[in-house]
Amino acid sequence: DAGITQSPRYKITETGRQVTLMCHQTWSHSYMFWYRQDLGHGLRLIYYSAAADITDKGEVPDGYVVSRSKTENFPLTLESATRSQTSVYFCASSDGDRVSGNTIYFGEGSWLTVV
Amino acid sequence: QQPVQSPQAVILREGEDAVINCSSSKALYSVHWYRQKHGEAPVFLMILLKGGEQKGHEKISASFNEKKQQSSLYLTASQLSYSGTYFCGTGLISSGSARQLTFGSGTQLTVLP
Repeated sequence: DAGITQSPRYKITETGRQVTLMCHQTWSHSYMFWYRQDLGHGLRLIYYSAAADITDKGEVPDGYVVSRSKTENFPLTLESATRSQTSVYFCASSDGDRVSGNTIYFGEGSWLTVV
Repeated sequence: QQPVQSPQAVILREGEDAVINCSSSKALYSVHWYRQKHGEAPVFLMILLKGGEQKGHEKISASFNEKKQQSSLYLTASQLSYSGTYFCGTGLISSGSARQLTFGSGTQLTVLP
């Protein structure tokens, strides 16, 4: 049971470079999410996707791009990395949209440092 | 709007009890609770729905007070394995979408032997 896998787990990049974080889930969940986690802020939603080819902005989308050509994959791209994007990034999935009863399952995280 | 968790941190001895609170200024439809250990992904504990439902998971239970827009997580007879950061995520009545699940900043729980 692979669940959600993220890659790379750890990445150091330079300011201005493009970085892509990969996310793959094996459950065929319709919804996928990208969160960033920073000390004192908890988990903040960057982007989410309701299905293949359907994406929408979350709370902190600036500087990020997502795509979802296949249900199982949801890559997150930092087009021009900045130091403020140093964070831990979590990909997540859920088999439903309604907050009423749908658990969100998280990947193990990608630690990104921008120098 | 981000829910407010309290306390921010708590240290207790094995066997002691703890309560973690999660409050919102907006009308809630649901509250989700997760636990995260250092360097790991958040792990689902339980979901509570509008209606004052109370749930339990082994020695961890939670309640949802609709009038106060608050949820409390109760950890009874704490075990060393309970250590970690606890997050609540709140879903608003104004939205039926998971995209509106907003997480608190977390409560760091440390259980000492």
